[in-house]
Amino acid sequence: GIQVEQSPPDLILQEGANSTLRCNFSDSVNNLQWFHQNPWGQLINLFYIPSGTKQNGRLSATTVATERYSLLYISSSQTTDSGVYFCAATVGGKLTFGTGTRLQVTL
Amino acid sequence: DVKVTQSSRYLVKRTGEKVFLECVQDMDHENMFWYRQDPGLGLRLIYFSYDVKMKEKGDIPEGYSVSREKKERFSLILESASTNQTSMYLCASSLQGWDYGYTFGSGTRLTVV
Repeated sequence: GIQVEQSPPDLILQEGANSTLRCNFSDSVNNLQWFHQNPWGQLINLFYIPSGTKQNGRLSATTVATERYSLLYISSSQTTDSGVYFCAATVGGKLTFGTGTRLQVTL
Repeated sequence: DVKVTQSSRYLVKRTGEKVFLECVQDMDHENMFWYRQDPGLGLRLIYFSYDVKMKEKGDIPEGYSVSREKKERFSLILESASTNQTSMYLCASSLQGWDYGYTFGSGTRLTVV
């Protein structure tokens, strides 16, 4: 099956800093999604982005399908951005997750 | 807003018990999924369903079964719970097709003792 790898595994930022999270996937995908899991365990869908660039407030995502990677940008980070960020690739209707990037934003 | 509701937030069961985890969604989604989440392993797909009474095995179906008698409800069954099934279980739903995001429930943290 498809392999989804994320980097870095852990990230500590000071509030206000910017960051880039990367997701590599091993095969062609139907769709690519980014999720944020908050400290209470709830998974929130941030973007579904098979290709191109999307923006939502301080977050944006870019997927380059031909090169099999996606990037999530967080600008002006806030403490509420803390948690785990997952990318997940859809192949044949099934969503396969990466192992996540754990982000901690400090004051 | 789509809501995916899992019946229990925390559950403690004994080894060998039959365990039912319930998931209900309220937006008429065709697809429903069960994942388990373990530290260092991310989320892994156990079973999914495209329609009522339909089920497909995911990546780690061993030791689990599922039931989908109504469109809005997808149940995960641990036939004989074991300690290695201690985990966070997450249910999700989505519309049919590739272009729709998944909505997840809040999760059930199951401990088998």
